[in-house]
Amino acid sequence: QQQVKQSPQSLIVQKGGISIINCAYENTAFDYFPWYQQFPGKGPALLIAIRPDVSEKKEGRFTISFNKSAKQFSLHIMDSQPGDSATYFCAARKNSGYSTLTFGKGTMLLVSP
Amino acid sequence: NAGVTQTPKFQVLKTGQSMTLQCAQDMNHEYMSWYRQDPGMGLRLIHYSVGAGITDQGEVPNGYNVSRSTTEDFPLRLLSAAPSQTSVYFCASTRSGYNNEQFFGPGTRLTVL
Repeated sequence: QQQVKQSPQSLIVQKGGISIINCAYENTAFDYFPWYQQFPGKGPALLIAIRPDVSEKKEGRFTISFNKSAKQFSLHIMDSQPGDSATYFCAARKNSGYSTLTFGKGTMLLVSP
Repeated sequence: NAGVTQTPKFQVLKTGQSMTLQCAQDMNHEYMSWYRQDPGMGLRLIHYSVGAGITDQGEVPNGYNVSRSTTEDFPLRLLSAAPSQTSVYFCASTRSGYNNEQFFGPGTRLTVL
């Protein structure tokens, strides 16, 4: 059973456009939702994270929107740039002692010049 | 700080061979994990450790062994390599505490012929 579902699998956006990646989860015990960015040949790196006590978190051009009742969260990349071309993973973790991250399957984003 | 380091970066094995993927971190993190990344499958947890001497299985542990004799090192052993273990392997570490960032290593690309 896939606990974190991510869509779309791939996305092409023109430079300057808005990239939107969506994730949905089932486990209501999840209470930490990070997004990771991965460039080819590199390990994933934390981009931005949110807890469910807020509905939105913004860092520069990157925004997480969180809908607790719908059990959904999304990543918005404003003014997308070619340098944003990467694979993005959403993830979720329970807050119970040490809990491992459960990842979505990833979205390959290509920002065309 | 070097962060999380992994060796080797690339490896080719024949079916049935054994090998150890090395992982080390210099951030004094208590928690360490091994993931494998396959196209369209996201990051899947193999094994993890919450401290020296303590390990546990993740989502896809079969065919892999781990041990944690020190805080710094968390090697992953393939006992008898199979083509299904062809993948990119990532090691990660996290400081204990609430919602701390998980840091990933650069990965090891393994091909089993």
